[in-house]
Amino acid sequence: NAGVTQTPKFQVLKTGQSMTLQCAQDMNHEYMSWYRQDPGMGLRLIHYSVGAGITDQGEVPNGYNVSRSTTEDFPLRLLSAAPSQTSVYFCASSYSIMGGMLSTIYFGEGSWLTVV
Amino acid sequence: KQEVTQIPAALSVPEGENLVLNCSFTDSAIYNLQWFRQDPGKGLTSLLLIQSSQREQTSGRLNASLDKSSGRSTLYIAASQPGDSATYLCAVRPEQGAQKLVFGQGTRLTINP
Repeated sequence: NAGVTQTPKFQVLKTGQSMTLQCAQDMNHEYMSWYRQDPGMGLRLIHYSVGAGITDQGEVPNGYNVSRSTTEDFPLRLLSAAPSQTSVYFCASSYSIMGGMLSTIYFGEGSWLTVV
Repeated sequence: KQEVTQIPAALSVPEGENLVLNCSFTDSAIYNLQWFRQDPGKGLTSLLLIQSSQREQTSGRLNASLDKSSGRSTLYIAASQPGDSATYLCAVRPEQGAQKLVFGQGTRLTINP
């Protein structure tokens, strides 16, 4: 059971380039999300999904796109990279449990992105 | 807007001590609160999850409490060990917009041998 898998782990981009951070989970979780972590800012939600075909914006969505065509995959696309997008990116997943409660959150190992 | 604060930002204690990490939140309308551990250069590992109807959760040497009405949670670590050195983060799931977790900035804990 791999859990939440993110690729690549490290990436350097030039300003203006585009790229996709991949996230996959093999736990059949309905909820998935992307966060970025910056010094002094903590973790901030970029986009999230409550199921295949359904996505929504988080706190800092500008400059990023997501899609959720399958339950397993939730890629994050940087459309035109900017130095301000230099950060560590975490993908996470969770699920509903009995009684309407929500589970613990499972995080990937992170993707370190530098935009020069 | 929900805000989560963790004090202190950093804590250094000698090995063997019992210690308490604090987390406060401004809006008591939460689904649950979760404590995480993050080692340098690594992802977040879930330690304890407290549902809004619960008062505390325990796992080994860790005990987390939740007081919704006062907007506070504490993480108690008993008999601290050097391996406990890490950054500890708390996060709340708000009732409105349960997928929009709000994180504190963390407490960096150092346990000195």
